[in-house]
Amino acid sequence: DIQMTQSPSTLSASVGDRVTITCRASQSISNWLAWYQQKPGKAPKLLIYKASTLEIGVPSRFSGSGSGTEFTLTISSLQPDDFATYSCQQYNSYSWTFGQGTKVEIK
Amino acid sequence: QVQLVESGGGVVQPGRSLRLSCAASAFTFSSYDMHWVRQAPGKGLEWVAVIWYDGNNKYYADSVEGRFTISRDNSKNTLDLQMNSLRADDTAVYYCARELTGFWDSSKRPLGYWGQGTLVTVSS
Repeated sequence: DIQMTQSPSTLSASVGDRVTITCRASQSISNWLAWYQQKPGKAPKLLIYKASTLEIGVPSRFSGSGSGTEFTLTISSLQPDDFATYSCQQYNSYSWTFGQGTKVEIK
Repeated sequence: QVQLVESGGGVVQPGRSLRLSCAASAFTFSSYDMHWVRQAPGKGLEWVAVIWYDGNNKYYADSVEGRFTISRDNSKNTLDLQMNSLRADDTAVYYCARELTGFWDSSKRPLGYWGQGTLVTVSS
């Protein structure tokens, strides 16, 4: 199975900060990578797919980049609604795998 | 709007069985691959299984292969997960999820819609 490793596990930041989360795949997944946002007690929400395509309705402060094995999620200016857990996921091949998640906390 | 509603969760003893269901509405169910994803308490997301839009192909995570069976009824717009030989480490919230686009999209597709989840607790 393809392993997905996210860093950091926890990130403390302030409103207005630029935030970057990294996701590394154990082998090449081309650009078949998605990012999800999850808030406590809620289902995940798709933010970005195909590494850099913004899902409809997602604010433009979110962006994704990368291909092969290295990927990043960037929030250009952190907003109060963005404090949540972010997970990457490869959908290149079954079985699909998720990163362990990055919790973005208020500093 | 797309709606996915899971049911069937609860407390079950190790070694016993449980069947989860997901009722889908507001989209053409038979056109989409469907998945189960779970999340143990305080842990990350874990993909469990997928069934193709027509039910002809199914794939499972190694952790559930041989114990869990995914199925669908396109006439009733329902997705099921039969879970046998349950273990303590199967304790999780189980989510039903739909791919973002349907079978007509030849590219690979992420999970675009999720249910609210149903909690399964395996404990004696």
